[in-house]
Amino acid sequence: GQQLNQSPQSMFIQEGEDVSMNCTSSSIFNTWLWYKQDPGEGPVLLIALYKAGELTSNGRLTAQFGITRKDSFLNISASIPSDVGIYFCAGRTQGAQKLVFGQGTRLTINP
Amino acid sequence: GAVVSQHPSWVICKSGTSVKIECRSLDFQATTMFWYRQFPKQSLMLMATSNEGSKATYEQGVEKDKFLINHASLTLSTLTVTSAHPEDSSFYICSARDSSTGGNYGYTFGSGTRLTVV
Repeated sequence: GQQLNQSPQSMFIQEGEDVSMNCTSSSIFNTWLWYKQDPGEGPVLLIALYKAGELTSNGRLTAQFGITRKDSFLNISASIPSDVGIYFCAGRTQGAQKLVFGQGTRLTINP
Repeated sequence: GAVVSQHPSWVICKSGTSVKIECRSLDFQATTMFWYRQFPKQSLMLMATSNEGSKATYEQGVEKDKFLINHASLTLSTLTVTSAHPEDSSFYICSARDSSTGGNYGYTFGSGTRLTVV
């Protein structure tokens, strides 16, 4: 079935550094979503993208919908301790109900 | 914003018993809800898609007789794990899709249920 390749799988950074992660797919998606999951909680939506080339920001977070519609990236600027968690990309193809998820990027921040 | 309430947040049950998990959309109607299972340090694995008033669509490899899904109203879906065994222990998460937004919004997740079968 469809899969999203998310990288990197984990990141260990210093507080204040910028973070970048991305997802790629062999299929074309018409929706890209980025979620953050804290331990023991469900994922929380960070940014939603609906058009190829779209660049959207949410505070220190910025995400882009790739022109080819097969990729997306998420950037976090000036990381802070509360950014720690697992970040998931998710995509939806035209007409589909369900989302396809990436494997997740585990972010650890050293103070 | 859209809120999805999932209950209970954790449950411990004896092997062989059944457990019901509820997923409610609090401030919107959801014709479609999704049930996921997540193992430690892994991504979300879709188990089934639940449509209000009709039978759920199960993903390949998911036993529909073991994981019973009922979506009797536009705001409530339930997942019942029947005859639970220790290997069913996992983190179960529901998601609801806002019916009013034409499909481009509203994939809101519940806070998850930690099931432990002893």
